[in-house]
Amino acid sequence: DGGITQSPKYLFRKEGQNVTLSCEQNLNHDAMYWYRQDPGQGLRLIYYSQIVNDFQKGDIAEGYSVSREKKESFPLTVTSAQKNPTAFYLCASSIAQYNEQFFGPGTRLTVL
Amino acid sequence: KNEVEQSPQNLTAQEGEFITINCSYSVGISALHWLQQHPGGGIVSLFMLSSGKKKHGRLIATINIQEKHSSLHITASHPRDSAVYICAVRAGNQFYFGTGTSLTVIP
Repeated sequence: DGGITQSPKYLFRKEGQNVTLSCEQNLNHDAMYWYRQDPGQGLRLIYYSQIVNDFQKGDIAEGYSVSREKKESFPLTVTSAQKNPTAFYLCASSIAQYNEQFFGPGTRLTVL
Repeated sequence: KNEVEQSPQNLTAQEGEFITINCSYSVGISALHWLQQHPGGGIVSLFMLSSGKKKHGRLIATINIQEKHSSLHITASHPRDSAVYICAVRAGNQFYFGTGTSLTVIP
């Protein structure tokens, strides 16, 4: 089955710790995205990548970092510099940057 | 200022009712998407529209480019339709998302 997987579904971390969220896709999509969702707000773009070894900042990149070493994988690291990291994080991919996006199941991060 | 506005924010319907969710946007777009987010958080793409109307099962999506408006209709609603419906538009190299409409269908 083709799709996007994110792990873990729930993640708890202590304040001040970095944490990495996993996103893997086997759809052979070139473009991948990370979004953050907070209650009462629309999805906000953190980072996106159009192709391997290339990525661009989105609207709210501060306090986050990404890598794109493989086409299938686009991990997101939430660093201690992110002021309000508790949120629901969604990964998505598309054939190319402007095409329909397919979303993963999301990771709910809670920083204690 | 939101580039994408949805109404209503919350909607409760009886099973079998016809439902309409509205989306207005303020930017020039190349495509509009309707997404469904289930209570567990996963998002599914329902439609991608650039003009006219699309139908899939009990779901119908329309768009009026001149009026910058789109509607999502659900016919013969069912409790399994309960979810958050999100309108998103692509403008240039940007995606803009609405805050969603939370739909509850009561048996």
